[in-house]
Amino acid sequence: DAKTTQPPSMDCAEGRAANLPCNHSTISGNEYVYWYRQIHSQGPQYIIHGLKNNETNEMASLIITEDRKSSTLILPHATLRDTAVYYCIVSAGANSKLTFGKGITLSVRP
Amino acid sequence: NAGVMQNPRHLVRRRGQEARLRCSPMKGHSHVYWYRQLPEEGLKFMVYLQKENIIDESGMPKERFSAEFPKEGPSILRIQQVVRGDSAAYFCASSPKRSLAGETQYFGPGTRLLVL
Repeated sequence: DAKTTQPPSMDCAEGRAANLPCNHSTISGNEYVYWYRQIHSQGPQYIIHGLKNNETNEMASLIITEDRKSSTLILPHATLRDTAVYYCIVSAGANSKLTFGKGITLSVRP
Repeated sequence: NAGVMQNPRHLVRRRGQEARLRCSPMKGHSHVYWYRQLPEEGLKFMVYLQKENIIDESGMPKERFSAEFPKEGPSILRIQQVVRGDSAAYFCASSPKRSLAGETQYFGPGTRLLVL
């Protein structure tokens, strides 16, 4: 699986959009971009994934650049409960293992 | 619509004892993955199983660890003769059968193993 690079941490104000960047310059054509988050020591929670096109669901939006070498996870209206470690992972899907890096710690301040 | 279930949620063992961790996948999911998270570290893949088959065990320690996913019942991660270094959170994830849309793995709440 390709590696990803994320800043170690960022913060944002409650109610504002949180834009979490991820670089994956060595991504292969058949690999998806997945985002998970882990709140405290709970089990990782799936957020969203995509291949080429931008994706949106009830939790977040995923913006993938045209060359697929980077992406941004957008939480449109961050709340205190969104404080967590967010992991950007590239994987071939198709029942492949997920390789977790260090992730980015998002702190949402009141 | 129950999610991935793991039990026990907390397990305390003394050095040399055996630990058995159970994972029931989401309904309709036939693929199970085990991950381990050591204190203050990220999650590391251990093993991937389908019913009655081990597909990828590249992350499993060579000794004392084994996993199974029988035709009936939950997946079991077994650790024999536990040592203090086995203290960690063990997470199970499940996914449905292979598709073209990219499978999503859904995680359980984890089992926290403490070895005294």
